Amino acid sequence: AQKITQTQPGMFVQEKEAVTLDCTYDTSDPSYGLFWYKQPSSGEMIFLIYQGSYDQQNATEGRYSLNFQKARKSANLVISASQLGDSAMYFCAMREARFGFQKLVFGTGTRLLVSP
Amino acid sequence: DGGITQSPKYLFRKEGQNVTLSCEQNLNHDAMYWYRQDPGQGLRLIYYSQIVNDFQKGDIAEGYSVSREKKESFPLTVTSAQKNPTAFYLCASSSGTGFTDTQYFGPGTRLTVL
Repeated sequence: AQKITQTQPGMFVQEKEAVTLDCTYDTSDPSYGLFWYKQPSSGEMIFLIYQGSYDQQNATEGRYSLNFQKARKSANLVISASQLGDSAMYFCAMREARFGFQKLVFGTGTRLLVSP
Repeated sequence: DGGITQSPKYLFRKEGQNVTLSCEQNLNHDAMYWYRQDPGQGLRLIYYSQIVNDFQKGDIAEGYSVSREKKESFPLTVTSAQKNPTAFYLCASSSGTGFTDTQYFGPGTRLTVL
């Protein structure tokens, strides 16, 4: 089973509008971290936001917020007031806390295009 | 400024040659990682190192080798045994390997086998 599922291969949004990128995850571990990264065409993976499984509130970082619904195992990224520079690939990732080294598992990504 | 540097940005290799990709960080992070990304796909872990002089294989280590002689440096060698090495390679580091530790990435190296 896929640990991280991103069902939207591509999303379109107009400048200044908000957009939600979906991410669902699968784990039986009560302790885990969820991460979102942005990958522009240059290739670098840029860390955006983190949500821990025990965090009571949804994480926010500037225009980015994470809609964390633990019971539904979803961790959707919300970008408010989209800008042209937000056009990129976005990856959701998870790391569990089981004993021993646990790798960061990535989804397949969502390509976001912001139009003027 | 603290960060991760990778060199070269682009690398071309003839079949049968070994090549080494450089990764340096000045974030004082203990853990470092190498990932491979193929077009339209997510990242796959090649090797990781939790501490100096120690490293472990990831999911796709065959045909690759690494060393970790200094905390700041984690070079990756793509050997001739790697059957399909053309890909984008990303290096990352984190202060620890717990579930709360964020991995930060370098700008990547694009390797093409001619």
